[in-house]
Order: sequence, then structure tokens, then C-alpha cells
Amino acid sequence: AQSVTQLGSHVSVSEGALVLLRCNYSSSVPPYLFWYVQYPNQGLQLLLKYTSAATLVKGINGFEAEFKKSETSFHLTKPSAHMSDAAEYFCAVSDRAGSARQLTFGSGTQLTVLP
Amino acid sequence: NAGVTQTPKFQVLKTGQSMTLQCAQDMNHNSMYWYRQDPGMGLRLIYYSASEGTTDKGEVPNGYNVSRLNKREFSLRLESAAPSQTSVYFCASSADRVTEAFFGQGTRLTVV
Repeated sequence: AQSVTQLGSHVSVSEGALVLLRCNYSSSVPPYLFWYVQYPNQGLQLLLKYTSAATLVKGINGFEAEFKKSETSFHLTKPSAHMSDAAEYFCAVSDRAGSARQLTFGSGTQLTVLP
Repeated sequence: NAGVTQTPKFQVLKTGQSMTLQCAQDMNHNSMYWYRQDPGMGLRLIYYSASEGTTDKGEVPNGYNVSRLNKREFSLRLESAAPSQTSVYFCASSADRVTEAFFGQGTRLTVV
């Protein structure tokens, strides 16, 4: 069964500092991996996805993530945090084989950006 | 484009009452999903539908039923609401089982 672990339920960074949100996954088959962002009182929006092409994936709003098979990780980074990045971030995994359960989400990381 | 539309946005129920959460998508997607979101637990899949006329249980199906009325609509029904079903419910859709999902704005349900 696939699963996702997000280390750190809350992360605080100063404006302009590096953002690093950690995600580790387990999957019995090569996975598809996703990062979603959720702003207060809104649904989830896709930030980026890994589908077995380039291991370094660039997303919207300056975010990127690197797929590391040896570490089973898919950490999200942004070189310089902006106040508007404050939100909750979810990592999700989907295996490629047919399955009734498509996306499995991590428990989320709340990002706070300090002025 | 409307994307995924959920109704209602907010609802308060008394224990034992029933209600149906509605979801419609206009992206011609085959797959549709219902998730619940609880603090510190991420999103957990309640039910899933790969196509019109088919539904499958997810991680937390107890206390819920679903109907895939047609390709556009996927409803979630609580037959006898319980306080443990207080949550934010999200409907989502995707083109197939391994592409990204698009989410509605959510329904905030409180059962008292």
C-alpha cells in the first residue's frame, strides 16, 4: 500500500528565506507524486507533479521539487519565501497500476512566513 | 470555467439527520472522488468513482453512500449523521486514475 509522510506539521520561515517542506513516500510501484497547496477556506490547487520525466520538477509560484528514488523523497523547495506563500501544503502519491484508491495524501504542513 | 462545484458550502445538522452533498464537474473527467479533511490527518478518501455507474470504497466509507448519477455528478449521502462526521468534505475529479485531481471549494459540515 502506498503512503506519504510529511515531516513537520508546522514550518516557519522569514520572508526571503529558503522554503523546504519534506515529503517521503512508500509505494510498491513507481509512483506519481504531487504537491498541492491550500489557502484558507479554499480547495486544493496543484503546485507541481512528478510523472517519471525529469526528476527536478518546476511548478507554479517559483516552487520546485526533486524526486529522489534512493531516498524515496519528494521535497518541495522555494529559494525565497513570500508572504503570499503562507498556506497549507500537501504531498500526495498515486501508484501507476490500476487501483481503487488513487491519491493518498500526507497530513499536511502549515507554512508560516514571518515578516 | 466552473471546474468542480460543490453545494452547499456550509451545513449544520443534528445527530441522526440525513443530507446529500452535491458535486458536479464540467471538465468531462471520468474519475470523481469524495474526501474528508480533518485537522492533522490530511485528506482521506471516502469513495471513488472511475466512471459513470461504478463506485468503490476508499479509506473511510462507513456512514456514507454515494451515487454517480452521470458523468458530471457524484453525490455523497449521510443517512444518519453523527458528530464524528463533522469535517470539511471535498469533491475532486480527474481525467483518469493517475493524473492530477481538481478540487471543489469544500463543504464545511458540523453535526451537533
